[in-house]
Amino acid sequence: QKEVEQNSGPLSVPEGAIASLNCTYSDRGSQSFFWYRQYSGKSPELIMSIYSNGDKEDGRFTAQLNKASQYVSLLIRDSQPSDSATYLCAVLERGSTLGRLYFGRGTQLTVWP
Amino acid sequence: SAVISQKPSRDICQRGTSLTIQCQVDSQVTMMFWYRQQPGQSLTLIATANQGSEATYESGFVIDKFPISRPNLTFSTLTVSNMSPEDSSIYLCSAQEDSYGYTFGSGTRLTVV
Repeated sequence: QKEVEQNSGPLSVPEGAIASLNCTYSDRGSQSFFWYRQYSGKSPELIMSIYSNGDKEDGRFTAQLNKASQYVSLLIRDSQPSDSATYLCAVLERGSTLGRLYFGRGTQLTVWP
Repeated sequence: SAVISQKPSRDICQRGTSLTIQCQVDSQVTMMFWYRQQPGQSLTLIATANQGSEATYESGFVIDKFPISRPNLTFSTLTVSNMSPEDSSIYLCSAQEDSYGYTFGSGTRLTVV
C-alpha cells in the first residue's frame, strides 16, 4: 500500500477557529488527492478533491496541494461543532483515473463550543 | 452521485464460518473496491474488483480468504472465509463513479466470536 501520512491527532479547536489538517504522501507521481470526513460509526464521505498545485476553496473548506513537497492540507474556517469528525486524506494510485485509493490514518478533529 | 447499498450492516459470526457481504450500486461503475477498517484505524484496501475478471488483491490479502465476485457493473460481493476473531472489523465497499471521487457503502460491522 502506498504511504499516506497524516499529522497525529487528536486536534481540538474552539468554535469559529481555523482547523488545519496536514497530509504527506510517498508516491511522487500521484496526481489526485481527496479529503474525506468520517463521523463515528459512519462511512467516509468526500468533502474535497484537488489535482493541481495551489489552493482550492469550497465554502468553509480549502484544500492546498504542493506536489514538490508531496504535501496536501485541508483548512476548515469558522469551525463548527458539527465539523467534529475524523478527516481522512486519500491519494489516488499513480497514472490512473480509475485506480486504487490509499488512505492515511486520519486526524480526529473536535470543535468545542 | 452514486448510492451504494451494503448489507448486512452488522453481524456476529462464529469462528470458522464464512460471511458474504453484498454491495449494490444504483448506477453502472467500472471499478469497485473493498476496504477493511479496524477500530480506530484507517481504511486498508483489500482488493479491486472489475466486472468479468478476477479481483486484484493487495499485499497481505488472498483470494482463498477473501473471495470476491463481480458479476455485473452494479454489484459485488466479498466473502470473509474461515473467520477468526482477528477478522473482526468494519468492511466497506467503494465505487468510483467519475474522476471526482469515490463513494462508499454504509459498511458492515463484523464481530467474530
